[in-house]
Amino acid sequence: ILNVEQSPQSLHVQEGDSTNFTCSFPSSNFYALHWYRWETAKSPEALFVMTLNGDEKKKGRISATLNTKEGYSYLYIKGSQPEDSATYLCAFLGSYIPTFGRGTSLIVHP
Amino acid sequence: GAGVSQTPSNKVTEKGKYVELRCDPISGHTALYWYRQSLGQGPEFLIYFQGTGAADDSGLPNDRFFAVRPEGSVSTLKIQRTERGDSAVYLCASSTYRQNEQFFGPGTRLTVL
Repeated sequence: ILNVEQSPQSLHVQEGDSTNFTCSFPSSNFYALHWYRWETAKSPEALFVMTLNGDEKKKGRISATLNTKEGYSYLYIKGSQPEDSATYLCAFLGSYIPTFGRGTSLIVHP
Repeated sequence: GAGVSQTPSNKVTEKGKYVELRCDPISGHTALYWYRQSLGQGPEFLIYFQGTGAADDSGLPNDRFFAVRPEGSVSTLKIQRTERGDSAVYLCASSTYRQNEQFFGPGTRLTVL
């Protein structure tokens, strides 16, 4: 059983705050790491697909980094907005079967 | 274009009954995954199709669960003799290739009474 951990489990921030959370995964047999955003009553939506150690990806105010040697990825949100409120999931792929973490629930208060 | 769709959105059934959950993937996506998500957990892998064949069904919890994708497009997840523990959100996702980003449907919430 692969262990994919996300921390913190939940996070409350004020509008305008910057925040970050962590995804930890096995450091062996790495193929890819996916980040998804899952808003209430919607489908999970892909944010990033990361494949190379040292990868840094950015989409608007959201960015992610990847360290495959130590087995972690960080997701950063700069200047959080209420519409960023969602659960952020990471998925580790050691093969073609994704193993998801439990997610970090982010709530941004106006 | 159209995204992944799943029907029904909600299904309430009684213990012991048979249910079918349907997934319509994005046209042209050859990879299709089924997941089950219980409260407080991340999506748990059930089965992966590449084209028409089940390339990996190692996540199916027992032989009451079965899935098909006869023409390489629509997939149906079938659960026999449902149990209360089967209650969860069942998610379907498709992608152009197995390790690429996945496009998820809205899920089917199954409640077994």
